[in-house]
Amino acid sequence: AQSVTQLDSQVPVFEEAPVELRCNYSSSVSVYLFWYVQYPNQGLQLLLKYLSGSTLVKGINGFEAEFNKSQTSFHLRKPSVHISDTAEYFCAVSEPGATNKLIFGTGTLLAVQP
Amino acid sequence: DTAVSQTPKYLVTQMGNDKSIKCEQNLGHDTMYWYKQDSKKFLKIMFSYNNKELIINETVPNRFSPKSPDKAHLNLHINSLELGDSAVYFCASSRESYEQYFGPGTRLTVT
Repeated sequence: AQSVTQLDSQVPVFEEAPVELRCNYSSSVSVYLFWYVQYPNQGLQLLLKYLSGSTLVKGINGFEAEFNKSQTSFHLRKPSVHISDTAEYFCAVSEPGATNKLIFGTGTLLAVQP
Repeated sequence: DTAVSQTPKYLVTQMGNDKSIKCEQNLGHDTMYWYKQDSKKFLKIMFSYNNKELIINETVPNRFSPKSPDKAHLNLHINSLELGDSAVYFCASSRESYEQYFGPGTRLTVT
């Protein structure tokens, strides 16, 4: 069965500093990987996705993630964060060609401080 | 031009009542989903429909019944509401196995 681990429940960081949000997954088959962002009292917005091809994936708002198959990781990075990046970030995995259900991690709260 | 919309946004009701949440997508997708987000923000799939056919039915009490009248709509009906049903319910849609687009959520509070 698939699972997703986000080890950091909260990541505090100062504005303009770089940040990395960690995500590890477990699966016996190839997977699709996603990062979603949830701003307070809002729905989930897709930041970026890895389906196949280049392991470095660029998304919206200056975020990027790197798929590492050997380490089963899909960490999210941003070189310089803004106050407006404060939100909950969810890593998710799905199995291509199957039911396409998303398995989510427990989320990481990115708290950007001035 | 809302892609995935849900009504109502907030729903406050008493235990034992029956309520429905509606979802509509205008993206032309063929698959729709219901997710539940609990108080700790954990998201879990409940149901999925593909072309009006139920394809995912996770371990959900049978008080929850999804209905898909057409490809663009997926409603969620809940009977005999319990305190533990309080959560945020998200509808989502996708084309085949690609990324899912989420609605704004419905915050259900059972008192």
